[in-house]
Amino acid sequence: AQSVTQPDIHITVSEGASLELRCNYSYGATPYLFWYVQSPGQGLQLLLKYFSGDTLVQGIKGFEAEFKRSQSSFNLRKPSVHWSDAAEYFCAVGAREYGNKLVFGAGTILRVKS
Amino acid sequence: NAGVTQTPKFRILKIGQSMTLQCTQDMNHNYMYWYRQDPGMGLKLIYYSVGAGITDKGEVPNGYNVSRSTTEDFPLRLELAAPSQTSVYFCASLKGDFYEQYFGPGTRLTVT
Repeated sequence: AQSVTQPDIHITVSEGASLELRCNYSYGATPYLFWYVQSPGQGLQLLLKYFSGDTLVQGIKGFEAEFKRSQSSFNLRKPSVHWSDAAEYFCAVGAREYGNKLVFGAGTILRVKS
Repeated sequence: NAGVTQTPKFRILKIGQSMTLQCTQDMNHNYMYWYRQDPGMGLKLIYYSVGAGITDKGEVPNGYNVSRSTTEDFPLRLELAAPSQTSVYFCASLKGDFYEQYFGPGTRLTVT
């Protein structure tokens, strides 16, 4: 069965500090990988995506993520967090073979200390 | 270009009532999806469609039905609402392989 694990339910970082959110997946096909962000009461906004090629992908708002096939991971990073980054972050996995359906992790809530 | 729109934004239902959540996209996307989001659980797929006239179950389809008579619309029907269906519902659409899903703003449903 396909699954996505985000081990950290909550993370608190200080403004200006670096950030890494972890994502591990178990999937039966070559995956597409996504990170979405959700502010309270809002919909989901795509931060970045990986389909193939360069395993380090850049996204919006200064975020990046690295696909490591050997570790089945797709961790999200940002070198310097801003207070406006406080939100919930979801990792998701899909594949063409499975109708491009997405399997989501449970999410990581990011709190930023000033 | 409005993207993916959902109506209503909020709704309170009594147990046993029925309703339809509307989803429309104006991007001519073939694929459409319905997810529900519960606290601490991420999003779970309810139903999806790969084109007009074609629908299939996702991970949590019980208590729901869908139809896809046009490319643009993908309504989700709740029959005999139950408190377990209290959730936030998101509709999404996808152009095709090697693209990302676009999400609507969500419908917050409470069943009491």
